[in-house]
Amino acid sequence: DVKVTQSSRYLVKRTGEKVFLECVQDMDHENMFWYRQDPGLGLRLIYFSYDVKMKEKGDIPEGYSVSREKKERFSLILESASTNQTSMYLCASSSGYGNQPQHFGDGTRLSIL
Amino acid sequence: GENVEQHPSTLSVQEGDSAVIKCTYSDSASNYFPWYKQELGKRPQLIIDIRSNVGEKKDQRIAVTLNKTAKHFSLHITETQPEDSAVYFCAASKAGGGNKLTFGTGTQLKVEL
Repeated sequence: DVKVTQSSRYLVKRTGEKVFLECVQDMDHENMFWYRQDPGLGLRLIYFSYDVKMKEKGDIPEGYSVSREKKERFSLILESASTNQTSMYLCASSSGYGNQPQHFGDGTRLSIL
Repeated sequence: GENVEQHPSTLSVQEGDSAVIKCTYSDSASNYFPWYKQELGKRPQLIIDIRSNVGEKKDQRIAVTLNKTAKHFSLHITETQPEDSAVYFCAASKAGGGNKLTFGTGTQLKVEL
């Protein structure tokens, strides 16, 4: 069974802080994704990566960056956290061979005070 | 880019009735359409998916239909049960580009006793 693990379920930070959200998958998946989930807006893609050290902007990349130094780990970075980045963050991974389902982590509920 | 619209945003049915959720997509190159179920406080989980080479797929009480000409696809749940209560998301993607999914905004399904 695919396991996608996010480092924290709940996180509280202050405005201006640099915030790191970590995600690890154990299925040797090529693709990894970071989404933001807000009520009424569904899941919006922030960034994704299809290989180590490769990254692509999603639909809402502003204020975020990512890092993928190893195949199993994909980090989301809030360079200078702001209150409008308070949200649920979901990580996902998928195989790189054809269209394959994405498997999600449990999410990190981030509050920026 | 791709745009996925999902309706209705909320749906309330009596136990045992059927529920239908509809999605439309804009990119005719999209060829993979998964549906996710997200129970309160939990991760989104794949419940069924369909590829563009078939028009219908069924798995027990759940079925998905696809109309490529009209660019819409639907989720059908028969004999609904209280445990079907959740938020359902449709999504679309096309081959290549890291299997990026574009999600609908979600449907809150409530099955009442």
